[in-house]
Amino acid sequence: DAGVIQSPRHEVTEMGQEVTLRCKPISGHNSLFWYRQTMMRGLELLIYFNNNVPIDDSGMPEDRFSAKMPNASFSTLKIQPSEPRDSAVYFCASSLTGTTGYTFGSGTRLTVV
Amino acid sequence: ELKVEQNPLFLSMQEGKNYTIYCNYSTTSDRLYWYRQDPGKSLESLFVLLSNGAVKQEGRLMASLDTKARLSTLHITAAVHDLSATYFCAAPQGAQKLVFGQGTRLTINP
Repeated sequence: DAGVIQSPRHEVTEMGQEVTLRCKPISGHNSLFWYRQTMMRGLELLIYFNNNVPIDDSGMPEDRFSAKMPNASFSTLKIQPSEPRDSAVYFCASSLTGTTGYTFGSGTRLTVV
Repeated sequence: ELKVEQNPLFLSMQEGKNYTIYCNYSTTSDRLYWYRQDPGKSLESLFVLLSNGAVKQEGRLMASLDTKARLSTLHITAAVHDLSATYFCAAPQGAQKLVFGQGTRLTINP
């Protein structure tokens, strides 16, 4: 298995632009999680899906952030419009309920200038 | 709301020494997870502890779980430079969600 695949690995964009981050979970996993990591705030859970349905989006910072999971093999996290304070590493993780925890993707390092 | 707290948050130690990282969590759980993160990299699963009294060891790292005390420990024996990383513990909240501690940044000096 190729693991959790995220793209792009790095993204540099100008303030005000739309940014879309992508994630392919491990085949057979039924939960998907989006995290943001910064030096100041550590690891923050933004949203998670179970069986493609959003379960908890209380960590999404504001309306500029949205996430979708149209099918079991694909999810997106969109920021529109982006701001410099959104600069962070965004991780996607997947798991199979009741088993051995999460598998994380390699992350997307987002820089908004 | 589940809270997971690690201490210390920063640890600088010499090679060859022993040390322990502590992970306390605020609500009952029979599972606890440890992850390692190298600088600029993703989080990698280290240990999964699935019951009270569980102990797992790999190389110089040993993790244990005491569900009654709501405490897990990660013990480092005779530290080597390669173990320098940030270590996270995480406890489950509900069936799917994990709540992570703040992380312990471990630096091992020659």
